[in-house]
Amino acid sequence: KAGVTQTPRYLIKTRGQQVTLSCSPISGHRSVSWYQQTPGQGLQFLFEYFSETQRNKGNFPGRFSGRQFSNSRSEMNVSTLELGDSALYLCASSSPRGLHSQETQYFGPGTRLLVL
Amino acid sequence: SQQGEEDPQALSIQEGENATMNCSYKTSINNLQWYRQNSGRGLVHLILIRSNEREKHSGRLRVTLDTSKKSSSLLITASRAADTASYFCATANNAGNMLTFGGGTRLMVKP
Repeated sequence: KAGVTQTPRYLIKTRGQQVTLSCSPISGHRSVSWYQQTPGQGLQFLFEYFSETQRNKGNFPGRFSGRQFSNSRSEMNVSTLELGDSALYLCASSSPRGLHSQETQYFGPGTRLLVL
Repeated sequence: SQQGEEDPQALSIQEGENATMNCSYKTSINNLQWYRQNSGRGLVHLILIRSNEREKHSGRLRVTLDTSKKSSSLLITASRAADTASYFCATANNAGNMLTFGGGTRLMVKP
């Protein structure tokens, strides 16, 4: 099976712009989660989508949003970029047996975003 | 905020030695997972241990979980230079797949 793919791999934006990142999960996986990794804050959970519904949300401002499509692909959007949004954004997919189960999450290579 | 604290933050050993990393967490969990990350790349899943398990093995990896102490340890036996990476523990404690990560341990294995 192909792994989790993320596009683009690298991105440079300026303050105030918006950005959309894409994630394609492993075939058959219905849960997609997003994480932000920075040197200062470490790995932090952004949100999780399961069957096109946001199931969990981390403690991030409303500038961070996401969605999931019927084929389980997911996008996350960051509007009005700030310097502090520079980070590695990681997507992970999993195949929970049901809504209340948890399984191993498989991570993509990440999108490295630099905000100037 | 991070749920877990990992100890040590950095570890340097010689090839062939064993490496032990510890993770402590604060709230009750459903499972705990260990991941490896090479140089700011994606995370590679190593092992998952559920809250009702005490020990799990996978190849050269051995993970223990003590829910009474809210702690876990990862042991890598007979380390290799290729094991050089950052290692993170992550806990899952609700119905979804939200993982809360520790700060990580940077492991360097010298040839």
